[in-house]
Amino acid sequence: GAGVSQSPRYKVAKRGQDVALRCDPISGHVSLFWYQQALGQGPEFLTYFQNEAQLDKSGLPSDRFFAERPEGSVSTLKIQRTQQEDSAVYLCASSWPLRTKSYEQYFGPGTRLTVT
Amino acid sequence: LAKTTQPISMDSYEGQEVNITCSHNNIATNDYITWYQQFPSQGPRFIIQGYKTKVTNEVASLFIPADRKSSTLSLPRVSLSDTAVYYCLVVPSATGGSYIPTFGRGTSLIVHP
Repeated sequence: GAGVSQSPRYKVAKRGQDVALRCDPISGHVSLFWYQQALGQGPEFLTYFQNEAQLDKSGLPSDRFFAERPEGSVSTLKIQRTQQEDSAVYLCASSWPLRTKSYEQYFGPGTRLTVT
Repeated sequence: LAKTTQPISMDSYEGQEVNITCSHNNIATNDYITWYQQFPSQGPRFIIQGYKTKVTNEVASLFIPADRKSSTLSLPRVSLSDTAVYYCLVVPSATGGSYIPTFGRGTSLIVHP
């Protein structure tokens, strides 16, 4: 089947605008992760869902960042009042539950956000 | 969760074997070790996972000593297309609480002709 998809692939926002980034995980994957990746750095954890439950949001950098997965499939990462330091690639990954045999996360291509 | 340490960069030549070592001194009994590869403008791609000794698949081998405080990703006969960033990631097999995947900066491998 299809892999993880993310939209849009590129987003340019003026400082202060709100943005919404979408992630479509692989069908049947109950775990979903969001990451932020700055240039030259590794992916930094933002938040984690198991089905519709947000189990950890400790990586969200501020209360301007909000993520949801209301029906346990598609997830949206929303950033309110964007700032220049929010410019980064936002990656989504999905996987089977952690207690299953494979620990593989399947990543989407990412959304490159540029705040001007 | 176990912190990982990898070399920032490595250089190699086509046809050579490349070994990238990751240190994870405080790995827990139930933790697994996974490795990912990332090309520019793409999300990371899973390569291999292991718990102990040796694991091999069509892409790479993973060597884990008995104390499990380190692991070595081995890429046989690299080609130019293996130029990428490689990340070592420790994953708990059971979580009573939360799980925060920590990728670090990874190892940038450059393969020369």
